[in-house]
Amino acid sequence: KAGVTQTPRYLIKTRGQQVTLSCSPISGHRSVSWYQQTPGQGLQFLFEYFSETQRNKGNFPGRFSGRQFSNSRSEMNVSTLELGDSALYLCASRDTYEQYFGPGTRLTVT
Amino acid sequence: AQKVTQAQTEISVVEKEDVTLDCVYETRDTTYYLFWYKQPPSGELVFLIRRNSFDEQNEISGRYSWNFQKSTSSFNFTITASQVVDSAVYFCALSEPNRDDKIIFGKGTRLHILP
Repeated sequence: KAGVTQTPRYLIKTRGQQVTLSCSPISGHRSVSWYQQTPGQGLQFLFEYFSETQRNKGNFPGRFSGRQFSNSRSEMNVSTLELGDSALYLCASRDTYEQYFGPGTRLTVT
Repeated sequence: AQKVTQAQTEISVVEKEDVTLDCVYETRDTTYYLFWYKQPPSGELVFLIRRNSFDEQNEISGRYSWNFQKSTSSFNFTITASQVVDSAVYFCALSEPNRDDKIIFGKGTRLHILP
């Protein structure tokens, strides 16, 4: 089985722009979660989607949004980027017992 | 509220030494899951173990072993005969399936294995 894939792997954006990140889960997994990882805050949960519905949400401003498609692929969008949004964004797909992570997208906001 | 504390931010040991990574958790639920993940320099989080709150048996997998003690709310991870390839950041995590089932991570412990 192919693992979790995330695109793009690296991204540089300017303050005020918006960005969309993509995640393709492992085939058959219907749950996709997103995390933000920064040196200061560590790994923080953004949200989880299951069968196209947001099931859980972390404590992030409304500038962070996501969606899931019928094929379980998920996208995460950040609008009006701020310098503090620079981070590694990790996506994970989940079966009953384990959560498998993708390689992440490293976003740099300048 | 759920919380995971990894008090050791960084550890350095010489190859072949044993090393234990500490994890203390807080939860109000009786049903919960504990995890350990490894993050090598490549960045991808690698799943190591999942343990449910009703199974306090220690687990051993090769050079890795885990000690789960509910009395002290700890889930410690020991690497025996460490190797350079074990150098990574290790994360302990917790989820409460009867609440919101989010996985909450500790801040991680950066482990350096020196040759």
